Amino acid sequence: EIVMTQSPATLSVSPGERATLSCRASQSVSSNLAWYQQKPGQAPRLLIYGASTRATGIPDRFSGGGSGTEFTLTISSPQSEDFAVYYCQQCSNWPGTFGQGTKVEIK
Amino acid sequence: EVQLLESGGGLVQPGGSLRLSCAASGFTFSSYAMSWVRQAPGGGLEWVSAIASSGGNTYYADSVKGRFTISRDNSKNTLYLQMNSLRGEDTALYYCAKDLRSSWYYLDSWGQGTLVTVSS
Repeated sequence: EIVMTQSPATLSVSPGERATLSCRASQSVSSNLAWYQQKPGQAPRLLIYGASTRATGIPDRFSGGGSGTEFTLTISSPQSEDFAVYYCQQCSNWPGTFGQGTKVEIK
Repeated sequence: EVQLLESGGGLVQPGGSLRLSCAASGFTFSSYAMSWVRQAPGGGLEWVSAIASSGGNTYYADSVKGRFTISRDNSKNTLYLQMNSLRGEDTALYYCAKDLRSSWYYLDSWGQGTLVTVSS
């Protein structure tokens, strides 16, 4: 099973301040990586897939990068609605494992 | 608009069984893989099971293999998860999710979940 490790566990940012989240895979997943956003009491929402492709309706302040084992999700200018938990997920090998999540909170 | 409505959760004793259902609408159900993903209280996400669009290929997490069975009825636009020999560690919110393509890949639409509690 591929283990996905996210850092940091919590990221405190001010609205408008760039936020960068990291995700590392225990072995190469090529570009088979997604990012999801989850707000309290809500289901996860797909933000990015294929490491860098924004899902339908996702604002362009969200961007993804990386390949192999190292990935990043950047929120260029976080808005109030962006404070949430973010998960990375690989779909290179079954099972499609998720990271443990990074909570982005208001500083 | 894609809609996924889960049902069938509840309180069950260890060793018991439950059958979850997910009614889908707003898309061509038979064209997409479907999955069940669970989230323990206060915890992260675990991909439990997936099924290809035709139902021909199924996938299970090791934690549920041999106890859970995923199936789908494309004529009824419905996904199922039969859960047997339930354990305390199966307690979680179970989400039904639609995939981007015909085999397991990325989950682009999610239901609101149904809560399964395993306790005596």
